[in-house]
Amino acid sequence: DAKTTQPTSMDCAEGRAANLPCNHSTISGNEYVYWYRQIHSQGPQYIIHGLKNNETNEMASLIITEDRKSSTLILPHATLRDTAVYYCIVRVPSNTGKLIFGQGTTLQVKP
Amino acid sequence: NAGVMQNPRHLVRRRGQEARLRCSPMKGHSHVYWYRQLPEEGLKFMVYLQKENIIDESGMPKERFSAEFPKEGPSILRIQQVVRGDSAAYFCASSPNGAPINEQFFGPGTRLTVL
Repeated sequence: DAKTTQPTSMDCAEGRAANLPCNHSTISGNEYVYWYRQIHSQGPQYIIHGLKNNETNEMASLIITEDRKSSTLILPHATLRDTAVYYCIVRVPSNTGKLIFGQGTTLQVKP
Repeated sequence: NAGVMQNPRHLVRRRGQEARLRCSPMKGHSHVYWYRQLPEEGLKFMVYLQKENIIDESGMPKERFSAEFPKEGPSILRIQQVVRGDSAAYFCASSPNGAPINEQFFGPGTRLTVL
């Protein structure tokens, strides 16, 4: 699986958009980009995934650059409950299914 | 549709005892994954099981740890002769099939404390 690089921490004002970057410059053509988050002391929660097209669901948007070497998770209107560690994971579809978590980005949403 | 259930939520054991952690996947899910999160560290994959089969146990410690997912009943992660270093949060996840494209749904975790 490709290695990912994320900033250690970020702050965001409540109600504003939170833009979380992820670098995956060694991504291969058949690898997907997944985002999960872990709110303190809880189990991780799936957010969104994509291959090369931008994706949007009720939680967030995923913007993947044309060369697929980086992506950005966008929480359009961050709330205090979005304070969590956000993980960007890149996976090959032929894997057994395990997720390899890095250190993630700790997002602090402030009032 | 109930989510992934884990019990107990908190478990205290003394060194040398056995710990049994249970995971009931979401209805219709036949694939289970176990992860461990040591204090102040990230999540680490341990094992991936389908009904009655271990598919990938590359993250399991070589000794004292075992996992099963029987035809009937929950998946069990068993830790024999626990040591203080086993203190951690253990999370279970499930998915409806083996395709990695599908998301995994996580349970609330079991917090194991070894005295």
